[in-house]
Amino acid sequence: EAQVTQNPRYLITVTGKKLTVTCSQNMNHEYMSWYRQDPGLGLRQIYYSMNVEVTDKGDVPEGYKVSRKEKRNFPLILESPSPNQTSLYFCASSPHRVYEQYFGPGTRLTVT
Amino acid sequence: KQEVTQIPAALSVPEGENLVLNCSFTDSAIYNLQWFRQDPGKGLTSLLLIQSSQREQTSGRLNASLDKSSGRSTLYIAASQPGDSATYLCAALNTDKLIFGTGTRLQVFP
Repeated sequence: EAQVTQNPRYLITVTGKKLTVTCSQNMNHEYMSWYRQDPGLGLRQIYYSMNVEVTDKGDVPEGYKVSRKEKRNFPLILESPSPNQTSLYFCASSPHRVYEQYFGPGTRLTVT
Repeated sequence: KQEVTQIPAALSVPEGENLVLNCSFTDSAIYNLQWFRQDPGKGLTSLLLIQSSQREQTSGRLNASLDKSSGRSTLYIAASQPGDSATYLCAALNTDKLIFGTGTRLQVFP
């Protein structure tokens, strides 16, 4: 089944404890992206990757890192999480940026 | 900077009605516009994608139109059903960034 998977789906952590949210797609897509969704603010793009080894900042990249060493994986790294990073995170992939994007199921992160 | 707005924020209609959801964007230099559906606690499902050169796209009971010159897109849902209840999001693609509206929460009651 073609899909985008994210792990973990739910995570509660404390301020300052490094964490990684994994994202993997099995559709051989070139383009991958991370978003966060907050009430009243909608979805905002954090980082995106046009292809392997090429990443760029979205609208809200502060406090996040990403890497794209393989085509299928695009992990989101929070080196020192803070409470304002409590949010619902989505990973998405697409054959190319101008094509339809496929979203993962989301990761709900709470930072206390 | 691109801004995407969706009106209304919420809509409640009886089953069987035809309805229109609106999406407006400030920068007409878009590559495409996409409509998504989001169910509570779940991810986004792509419904329709309209390339900048197209005027509309149809899928089943859904029809989306795009008017770049006026900065507007509409999603038309025919003969609404309770299963259509969800939040509908539009998103405009500028260069490499996909900018989302805040959504319209739709409830269709029997």
